Amino acid sequence: AQSVAQPEDQVNVAEGNPLTVKCTYSVSGNPYLFWYVQYPNRGLQFLLKYITGDNLVKGSYGFEAEFNKSQTSFHLKKPSALVSDSALYFCAVRDNTGGFKTIFGAGTRLFVKA
Amino acid sequence: SAVISQKPSRDICQRGTSLTIQCQVDSQVTMMFWYRQQPGQSLTLIATANQGSEATYESGFVIDKFPISRPNLTFSTLTVSNMSPEDSSIYLCSVLDLGQGGSTDTQYFGPGTRLTVL
Repeated sequence: AQSVAQPEDQVNVAEGNPLTVKCTYSVSGNPYLFWYVQYPNRGLQFLLKYITGDNLVKGSYGFEAEFNKSQTSFHLKKPSALVSDSALYFCAVRDNTGGFKTIFGAGTRLFVKA
Repeated sequence: SAVISQKPSRDICQRGTSLTIQCQVDSQVTMMFWYRQQPGQSLTLIATANQGSEATYESGFVIDKFPISRPNLTFSTLTVSNMSPEDSSIYLCSVLDLGQGGSTDTQYFGPGTRLTVL
């Protein structure tokens, strides 16, 4: 069964500094990996995904994520954080061995301080 | 991208009653799912809504409690039956758009239905 872990409940970063939100996963086959963001009182928004190809994936709002197969990680990064990036971030994994079930991590709350 | 609407957006219900949540998508999609989310917490998959057949439920969720219908490729309902305060949560409809040959493969979420059971 697939699983995903976000080891940090909260990440604090100053505006203008780089940010990293960590994610590790476990699947039986090749993983499909996703990042979503949820702003207060709003629905989930898709940020980016990794299915195959380049390990560095670029997504919305200047975010990117690096797939590392040996470390089974898919950390979310942004070179320069904005106060408006403050939100709840979810990493998700889907096992592509036949099912389409996507499992979400516990979420990491990002606080960007001005 | 798929646009998803849910009705109602929120409701307050008495224990022992049932609520049916509707999910409408603006295009035909392959897969539809129902999730539950406590505010500020992670999403838990309830079931996969299958068109024309019984939904596929995850561990801990049963059809008698959460009956699901999916009569066509753009619509699904989730009923929360015999509600208790523990059912208070946000219920999210989600669709998987595979696109032609899996070209897009993106999962979208509805705005959610916030349920409070008294």
